[in-house]
Amino acid sequence: DVKVTQSSRYLVKRTGEKVFLECVQDMDHENMFWYRQDPGLGLRLIYFSYDVKMKEKGDIPEGYSVSREKKERFSLILESASTNQTSMYLCASRTPSGDNQPQHFGDGTRLSIL
Amino acid sequence: AQSVTQLDSQVPVFEEAPVELRCNYSSSVSVYLFWYVQYPNQGLQLLLKYLSGSTLVKGINGFEAEFNKSQTSFHLRKPSVHISDTAEYFCAVTSLLSDYKLSFGAGTTVTVRA
Repeated sequence: DVKVTQSSRYLVKRTGEKVFLECVQDMDHENMFWYRQDPGLGLRLIYFSYDVKMKEKGDIPEGYSVSREKKERFSLILESASTNQTSMYLCASRTPSGDNQPQHFGDGTRLSIL
Repeated sequence: AQSVTQLDSQVPVFEEAPVELRCNYSSSVSVYLFWYVQYPNQGLQLLLKYLSGSTLVKGINGFEAEFNKSQTSFHLRKPSVHISDTAEYFCAVTSLLSDYKLSFGAGTTVTVRA
């Protein structure tokens, strides 16, 4: 069974801080994704990575960056946290073999910026 | 571009009653469709997927969905719900046009009452 682990379930940070959200998957998946989830908006793609050291902007990349130095780990970075980045953040991974493979999700990190 | 509309944001239902969650999509090419469920304080879990073939798709926990190409719909149904089905449900679409990235609907919250 695929396991996607997000390092924190709840996180509270202050405005202006640099924040790191970590995600690790154990199935050797090439593709990894970061979403934010807000009420009434569903999930919106922030960044994704097709493979190690590769990254592509999603629909809402502003204020965020990512790092993928190892295949199993995909980090989301809030360069200077702001209150409008308070949200639930979800990481996902998938294998691209067979282009219609589903994404597997972590349990999410609920981030509050004060 | 592809998009998903979930027509109901909230669906209250009594235990053992049937439920239908409506999902419409738009895309100019062939699509793959998914329903995910999110239980409270958890990540997303795949319920079922339509890739090709039979338009009636069966998933986990007694859920099924029907793909209707002419109406561009992928409605989710369960003939008899349990209290444990209380959750948020997301419809998602992907295609070659989007490089197989998922687009999510805004979600439907199902509340099952005794």
